Amino acid sequence: GQSLEQPSEVTAVEGAIVQINCTYQTSGFNGLFWYQQHAGEAPTFLSYNVLDGLEEKGRFSSFLSRSKGYSYLLLKELQMKDSASYLCAPMDSNYQLIWGAGTKLIIKP
Amino acid sequence: NAGVTQTPKFRILKIGQSMTLQCTQDMNHNYMYWYRQDPGMGLKLIYYSVGAGITDKGEVPNGYNVSRSTTEDFPLRLELAAPSQTSVYFCASSYETSGNTIYFGEGSWLTVV
Repeated sequence: GQSLEQPSEVTAVEGAIVQINCTYQTSGFNGLFWYQQHAGEAPTFLSYNVLDGLEEKGRFSSFLSRSKGYSYLLLKELQMKDSASYLCAPMDSNYQLIWGAGTKLIIKP
Repeated sequence: NAGVTQTPKFRILKIGQSMTLQCTQDMNHNYMYWYRQDPGMGLKLIYYSVGAGITDKGEVPNGYNVSRSTTEDFPLRLELAAPSQTSVYFCASSYETSGNTIYFGEGSWLTVV
């Protein structure tokens, strides 16, 4: 079967660093996406990993370990505007994305 | 720089009514998708299309129909609306599948009463 797990909620302080974890099990694997979704808005693309390792993009980095079925999103220098839900979405062998409810990031001043 | 445009943004339907959610993209993407997202839940794929004239069912197709007569347009038809179809609907598109970013429209909030 296919499964996806993320914490439902994470709280962090403005200016700090936060890591949002994602574990998955899919039938085949064709990469993993991270999307950001602000309340009442559409998801927007953050990153895509298909090979193991860390991809850095400004304040955001994403890590993938295919053997462990594990990914994380690292957000540095947190800003209040980073308060949003973060969606991890692995792609299976049929190129279908598996979506979960995401992790709601709450940032405190 | 329109991207994916969907209309209407908000709609209230009575049980049993029908309506069409319009979606158009100007990025010449081959793949288009319709998702629904219930409060606190993940995106669920309703239908998708890999090109003009080709459509396929996703995870939750019952109660919906689609067509893809052109590359740009991918309307979603709700027949005989039911309260269970109250949701936010997102149209999305991508150039291909593997590794290609999916771009989402702004969403359509539908309430069935």
